[in-house]
Amino acid sequence: KNEVEQSPQNLTAQEGEFITINCSYSVGISALHWLQQHPGGGIVSLFMLSSGKKKHGRLIATINIQEKHSSLHITASHPRDSAVYICAVRRGDKLTFGTGTRLAVRP
Amino acid sequence: DAGVTQSPTHLIKTRGQHVTLRCSPISGHKSVSWYQQVLGQGPQFIFQYYEKEERGRGNFPDRFSARQFPNYSSELNVNALLLGDSALYLCASTRGAGGDVGGANVLTFGAGSRLTVL
Repeated sequence: KNEVEQSPQNLTAQEGEFITINCSYSVGISALHWLQQHPGGGIVSLFMLSSGKKKHGRLIATINIQEKHSSLHITASHPRDSAVYICAVRRGDKLTFGTGTRLAVRP
Repeated sequence: DAGVTQSPTHLIKTRGQHVTLRCSPISGHKSVSWYQQVLGQGPQFIFQYYEKEERGRGNFPDRFSARQFPNYSSELNVNALLLGDSALYLCASTRGAGGDVGGANVLTFGAGSRLTVL
């Protein structure tokens, strides 16, 4: 079993829909990262969380340390949000990544 | 201000050859980490360096090595290339070492070096 599991693996939404991507992990961590990867490889760091909730524009990330679970929410989704969203957990100096959630937002 | 820069962007090698990939972190960032991303999968951690010392190593064979220079740039070396080494190699930099959870550990990634081994 992978240390970091994401769901769903693939997600298709209509423009304007509210989107939730989930990440569960099985080990103790010091922080969790949400990353966005566009076609061609470029990765952008969206959030780094160790507790609670963070918001940036239409993006919201939450984490529940006790339940070892984090969610990334996108409100009022837009076709430009189409990308792979990756959850990564930090233990000491090591980052372990989930396999990503491929999101396609249709106009 | 330049972001994390990686070179080369693309390269093709044959089995058994050696490759060197380079990464320059954001100015002021002292930590560089390397990741391998095989097509269709999430990145896998290879190495982290902080202040020129290795701080972490993933489950990769000894054919993979890296170093960090006094200016905090880094090289990833892979010897005796195998077909399975074909991947996107990503470098990320942070200000901090990785052990704490402050803003010093927000990751900034380079665009990657895409290696094809024939």
